[in-house]
Amino acid sequence: AQSVTQLGSHVSVSEGALVLLRCNYSSSVPPYLFWYVQYPNQGLQLLLKYTSAATLVKGINGFEAEFKKSETSFHLTKPSAHMSDAAEYFCAMSGGSNYKLTFGKGTLLTVNP
Amino acid sequence: DSGVTQTPKHLITATGQRVTLRCSPRSGDLSVYWYQQSLDQGLQFLIQYYNGEERAKGNILERFSAQQFPDLHSELNLSSLELGDSALYFCASSVAETLAYNEQFFGPGTRLTVL
Repeated sequence: AQSVTQLGSHVSVSEGALVLLRCNYSSSVPPYLFWYVQYPNQGLQLLLKYTSAATLVKGINGFEAEFKKSETSFHLTKPSAHMSDAAEYFCAMSGGSNYKLTFGKGTLLTVNP
Repeated sequence: DSGVTQTPKHLITATGQRVTLRCSPRSGDLSVYWYQQSLDQGLQFLIQYYNGEERAKGNILERFSAQQFPDLHSELNLSSLELGDSALYFCASSVAETLAYNEQFFGPGTRLTVL
């Protein structure tokens, strides 16, 4: 069975500080991994995806994530947080013939001025 | 704007009632997915359709059903509603059947409140 674990339901950073949102996965097949962002009262928007090409994936809005198979991790980072980054972030996975996305519980990012 | 539209935006109804949620995928997308987002369960996959045919089923209750029409829009029918069905229901679409090289584009969601 596939599962996604996001460590920390709430992360708070200061504006300009490093953002690190953690995601670990469990899968019996090579995974495809995604990070989505959800702003209040909106749908989910794809930030970036890993599809077995480069292990370091760059996304929109300055975010990037690194796939580490040995650690079964796909952490999301951004060097300098901006107030507009405040939102909920979801790590998701699919794999093999599994068409659906399995989501983590989400991490709410707060950015303090 | 993802290009995926969902109606209605909000829905308030009573227990025991039946509602229909509608989704129009992005132009050219053949796959439609339905997800439920609730505080206790998080984001959960319900069902997928590809070009009119059911492709995958997730944690969808027997009281819930869906279909995809020839024009590719999809409807999610929820019946015998219970308080616990209150949630945000998302529709997503993608070009292909699998997710290997195609992302899912999410609609803005329908917020269902069951009183």
